[in-house]
Amino acid sequence: QLQLQESGPGLVKPSETLSLTCTVSGGSLSSSSYYWGWIRQPPGKGLEWIGSISYSGSTYFNPSLKSRVTISVDTSKNQFSLKLISVTAADTAVYYCARRGLVAREYLQYWGQGTLVTVSS
Amino acid sequence: DIQMTQSPSSVSASVGDRVTITCRASQGISSWLAWYQQKPGKAPKLLIYTTSSLQSGVPSRFSGSGSGTDFTLTISSLQPEDFATYYCQQANSFPLTFGGGTKVQIK
Repeated sequence: QLQLQESGPGLVKPSETLSLTCTVSGGSLSSSSYYWGWIRQPPGKGLEWIGSISYSGSTYFNPSLKSRVTISVDTSKNQFSLKLISVTAADTAVYYCARRGLVAREYLQYWGQGTLVTVSS
Repeated sequence: DIQMTQSPSSVSASVGDRVTITCRASQGISSWLAWYQQKPGKAPKLLIYTTSSLQSGVPSRFSGSGSGTDFTLTISSLQPEDFATYYCQQANSFPLTFGGGTKVQIK
């Protein structure tokens, strides 16, 4: 059973860089069929897709965040990572990593438990 | 980008009630729509994909319908464990987009 686990600092200062890692177990990040995604949810609000990456490094981003986001993959560690620069309080959210199931469309079947990142000085 | 609009934003219902949630896409997405259930403090759970296909393990009281731009999630007989927030999501194209959510509350 595929499992995803987010990790990273829970507190980031304004204007600094938010960095999170998603560790994948029970499956290989190197599978060519899948995109690996990041989604966030501000407290009390809805879901916002941030971006997705394939094992080969092909990426898609939310246009509203594209200028500040980098997503990378490390197949040797079976991990993929998110970097968001120049953060503000508006970036405070629970951040999830996720992947689709066997159906070849981006229906997000597998989710990490989420990690709360607070932007505050 | 494809905008997803859900309604209502919240609904109060009783156990046993039939509940219907709608989702409208700003442009046609064929049948490439999913529904998720989220409970407080938990990650979203995939309920339905490709408009009407039930994810494994999801009770049959959940159903989905629609195509093009208009979609519906129906809970035929609301159970206590169904009180949660529901989101639609289009999988037609990147960027992926979600509806704003519908909170199903106890009446």
